[in-house]
Amino acid sequence: SQTIHQWPATLVQPVGSPLSLECTVEGTSNPNLYWYRQAAGRGLQLLFYSVGIGQISSEVPQNLSASRPQDRQFILSSKKLLLSDSGFYLCAWNTGGIDEQFFGPGTRLTVL
Amino acid sequence: GENVEQHPSTLSVQEGDSAVIKCTYSDSASNYFPWYKQELGKRPQLIIDIRSNVGEKKDQRIAVTLNKTAKHFSLHITETQPEDSAVYFCAASPRSNYKLTFGKGTLLTVNP
Repeated sequence: SQTIHQWPATLVQPVGSPLSLECTVEGTSNPNLYWYRQAAGRGLQLLFYSVGIGQISSEVPQNLSASRPQDRQFILSSKKLLLSDSGFYLCAWNTGGIDEQFFGPGTRLTVL
Repeated sequence: GENVEQHPSTLSVQEGDSAVIKCTYSDSASNYFPWYKQELGKRPQLIIDIRSNVGEKKDQRIAVTLNKTAKHFSLHITETQPEDSAVYFCAASPRSNYKLTFGKGTLLTVNP
């Protein structure tokens, strides 16, 4: 069966520090991968999505970037965090023939 | 791009009553409409979805209706229970295996 992992689960970082969040999917190949951010009490904002290795589409201009170095690995990065980057970051996947997106457990990021 | 509006933002009902959450979308090309439930601090999970070739779909106490002409769809929960308390998100997608645009969510509280 397929599973999706995210780490770390929680993170507290100072303003101006770098960021790297990782998402991996097991049990499937060539998934579509997505990064969402959810601010406190708010909806799900799509940040990036990827349909294959090295293929990244950005939905919202910001100081974040994404990379897909391997088929089932999706990384969210920042060189310098802002206070407004705080939130709950969710990775999701789906694949051919399946509309449903499956979400990972999320990373709760607090920028101080 | 697609825009999804969701109402109400909060909904409080008594146990046993029905709850209805409504969404409208802007892109007439959208043809996949999922509903996700998110409990506090947890990941969103799909509870029901509908495709544009269907007008209504039921799964036990949950039903979704779709009006493509008016571009709106609704979630109906009957005989609500305290464990139905959560944030519910609607979403829309223009095609299979593609990115979702989410509504801002509805906080449903079921009072015992």
